[in-house]
Amino acid sequence: QSVLTQPPSASGTPGQRVAISCSGSSSNIGGNSVNWYQRLPGTAPKLLIYSNNQRPSGVPDRFSGSKSGTSASLAISGLQSEDEADYYCAAWDDSLNGWVFGGGTKLTVL
Amino acid sequence: QVQLVQSGAEVKKPGASVKVSCKASGYTFTSYHMHWVRQAPGQGLEWMAIINPSGGSTSYAQKFQGRITMTRDTSTSTVYLDLSSLRSEDTAVYYCASSSGWYSYFDYWGQGTLVTVSS
Repeated sequence: QSVLTQPPSASGTPGQRVAISCSGSSSNIGGNSVNWYQRLPGTAPKLLIYSNNQRPSGVPDRFSGSKSGTSASLAISGLQSEDEADYYCAAWDDSLNGWVFGGGTKLTVL
Repeated sequence: QVQLVQSGAEVKKPGASVKVSCKASGYTFTSYHMHWVRQAPGQGLEWMAIINPSGGSTSYAQKFQGRITMTRDTSTSTVYLDLSSLRSEDTAVYYCASSSGWYSYFDYWGQGTLVTVSS
């Protein structure tokens, strides 16, 4: 059971906008930044969004992040087939004194 | 460019120990913290440990306390994960990942090392 809660799956058609939620508590998301990682099939995770809403260089602006209270969200607009991957949210947890992840959301592009 | 290259796959029996390595290149080794994160089959990512290569200070997830050790060798820019008393639930892909600080995001990842625990 993951500390951060994500929906196990999400889907959309090419060109659509999809949002993936991540719910936590005051000890993690409520008090710390949220980061998002993308894991394409057969590859290592890759940083997608950091500090709630910042994109590393090279990440398309189709990807955006937001945070409100103890929840965060990753939005992907103009969905493309290559976006089919697993997406994970993560945050530092002050109570556990460690990093916690969501269980991951498998995105399917129909 | 930054590269984290991990050691190869391991097969271990229950009760044994495993040591996985992660060699860093492309940056000053002591300037970035390093983590171990694992993913069991069908499961999500799970953070295990962090080390500050500069001073060697470490912190471990409570779940692994007592059977995990993370070390570094600054002469070879390599970090190590030692996990003992292995059980079948430890079967997973183990990743090393770097961050600019204790509370900072993981910006680079190793390719992963599959550890299989089976009798």
